[in-house]
Amino acid sequence: NAGVMQNPRHLVRRRGQEARLRCSPVKGHSHVYWYRQLPEEGLKFMVYLQKENIIDESGMPKERFSAEFPKEGPSILRIQQVVRGDSAAYFCASSPELDTEAFFGQGTRLTVV
Amino acid sequence: KQEVTQIPAALSVPEGENLVLNCSFTDSAIYNLQWFRQDPGKGLTSLLLIQSSQREQTSGRLNASLDKSSGRSTLYIAASQPGDSATYLCAVMDGSEKLVFGKGTKLTVNP
Repeated sequence: NAGVMQNPRHLVRRRGQEARLRCSPVKGHSHVYWYRQLPEEGLKFMVYLQKENIIDESGMPKERFSAEFPKEGPSILRIQQVVRGDSAAYFCASSPELDTEAFFGQGTRLTVV
Repeated sequence: KQEVTQIPAALSVPEGENLVLNCSFTDSAIYNLQWFRQDPGKGLTSLLLIQSSQREQTSGRLNASLDKSSGRSTLYIAASQPGDSATYLCAVMDGSEKLVFGKGTKLTVNP
C-alpha cells in the first residue's frame, strides 16, 4: 500500500524554465493538497484539488503557477518561467475524505539557478 | 486568520528525559489538529491526529492533548531517544479545509 509518491525528489531549473512536479496520492484518496516550504519558513498551503476540480487555490500565486488533478494520472503542479524565489520544497498531501488524516509525500526540492 | 505558534523553536535534552512540546492556535473553531515529524531533507510523517471532539490521543511513547477552548495542544514524549531527534510540526485544520502549520520545534536528543 504505497503512500503519497512525489517525483522528482530534486529538480534544478534555470531561471525562465518550466518546472513540473508530480504527485500520486494514496490509492483511493480523492483529496489532494499542495504545500510549499520556503527555507526557514513553515509549510504554507497552496491549493486543494479533487478529481478534475480545483476546490481552493487561495494560497497559490496568481501568475505562473497552476495545478491540476486529472481523472486519470497524478496531480501536477506547474510553475512557468521560474525565478530564484520559487526555490523551495513542495509537498503534496492526500486524504480519503474531508477532515481526516492527511498523508504527505517526501516532497520535491526545487532549486532555481 | 488562523495562526499557529510553536514553543520552543528548539529544544535539546539528554536521552531518557520526558519532554513537552507546545502548540497554540488563535481560532478555536477547528476540525482537527495533527502532529507531524519531519527529518532533515525528508517529508512529513503523521504522528497523531486529534479530532475537535477529542481531548487526547496516544501512540506508543507519544501523547497529544487538545484544549480547544484555550487554543492549545501539547505533545508529550516519554523516555526520549536519539532517534526522536527531528523537527515536530503542529497543524490545525479549520473550516477552510486546509492545514495551517506552525514553524515547528527542532528537537535534539543527546545520547
